[in-house]
Amino acid sequence: GIQVEQSPPDLILQEGANSTLRCNFSDSVNNLQWFHQNPWGQLINLFYIPSGTKQNGRLSATTVATERYSLLYISSSQTTDSGVYFCAVELNTGTASKLTFGTGTRLQVTL
Amino acid sequence: NAGVMQNPRHLVRRRGQEARLRCSPMKGHSHVYWYRQLPEEGLKFMVYLQKENIIDESGMPKERFSAEFPKEGPSILRIQQVVRGDSAAYFCASSPAARGNSPLHFGNGTRLTVT
Repeated sequence: GIQVEQSPPDLILQEGANSTLRCNFSDSVNNLQWFHQNPWGQLINLFYIPSGTKQNGRLSATTVATERYSLLYISSSQTTDSGVYFCAVELNTGTASKLTFGTGTRLQVTL
Repeated sequence: NAGVMQNPRHLVRRRGQEARLRCSPMKGHSHVYWYRQLPEEGLKFMVYLQKENIIDESGMPKERFSAEFPKEGPSILRIQQVVRGDSAAYFCASSPAARGNSPLHFGNGTRLTVT
């Protein structure tokens, strides 16, 4: 099956710092989503981004489908950004099926 | 428009009991997906259902686990004779029938603890 690797596995930032999270995947995909799982366990949709670049406030994401990677940028980080960030992909099979999740990047933002 | 609703939020069962997890999809959505998250891991696909049909159950354990999505009412994930290894967060997602290229929306999950 498709492999999804995220890096770094763990990240500690001081409030106000910027960071880049990476997601590599091993096959062509027609769906890629970034999620934030907060400390209470809720899974929050950040971006649906199978290709191109999107921005939402302090967050932005870029997917280069031909090179099979996606990047999530967090600028001016805040303590509320803490949690685990997951990348999830869906194979380009032509049918709506299932997401394969990476193992996540655990982010801790400190004061 | 309410999101995907899961209940209960937390469920505690003793070994050998049954666990029933419920998922109500977003309004207008007829496809439901169940995922399991073991502690310190990412989510893993379990099963994909449409109304009254199981489309893909390739991620479901062969024994003790079953899922349904009846014509009326929520989708149910049922775990019989639970064991400690079933302790996990179970997430449900939904999508419309003609999903095309659109994101999956997840509920807040049910955290099952087996004692």
